[in-house]
Amino acid sequence: GAGVSQSPSNKVTEKGKDVELRCDPISGHTALYWYRQSLGQGLEFLIYFQGNSAPDKSGLPSDRFSAERTGGSVSTLTIQRTQQEDSAVYLCASSSTRDRYEQYFGPGTRLTVT
Amino acid sequence: GEDVEQSLFLSVREGDSSVINCTYTDSSSTYLYWYKQEPGAGLQLLTYIFSNMDMKQDQRLTVLLNKKDKHLSLRIADTQTGDSAIYFCAEKDSNTGKLIFGQGTTLQVKP
Repeated sequence: GAGVSQSPSNKVTEKGKDVELRCDPISGHTALYWYRQSLGQGLEFLIYFQGNSAPDKSGLPSDRFSAERTGGSVSTLTIQRTQQEDSAVYLCASSSTRDRYEQYFGPGTRLTVT
Repeated sequence: GEDVEQSLFLSVREGDSSVINCTYTDSSSTYLYWYKQEPGAGLQLLTYIFSNMDMKQDQRLTVLLNKKDKHLSLRIADTQTGDSAIYFCAEKDSNTGKLIFGQGTTLQVKP
């Protein structure tokens, strides 16, 4: 069956531009997570959606970052006025409920800010 | 706050056993995980252990959990060159389900 997909796989943008990263979770999965993997910070949690509940935004590094999840399925992570330190691989994961043991990760979007 | 620590690098010879160690801080974590990341690839779940277990074996992989010391280890028997990768230890936040990852251990397997 289809796994978690993310698009684009690579994105190069100029400093100051806005970018949108997309995540398609596994169908029926109610929990969706965004993580970021960068050289300096390792793998860090960004934001978590569970069903129709308010998202847990505690990991977002600044107010330039926002995310939404439409219809409980597809999620978009938006970074406004990108900075070079935003360069990283952005990973999305989904699970059937927050209590299930496994989070399935997508392939990631590699963002490079020049 | 929650924290997961791992050593950064391990080098072994092909055929030897590898042991990657991890310490964590959240005693309420229900699950602990080992993920593998090969160069240019995504995160692959290798194995996990539930917090009420102290050992789990899966083919060449053995996970040991010492809950008292908050110490987790991954042993890979008969290590192969294809095992060369970065291995991440992670604990699951019991409230949100988010994963807290260690920095990753780069395993180098020499032929």
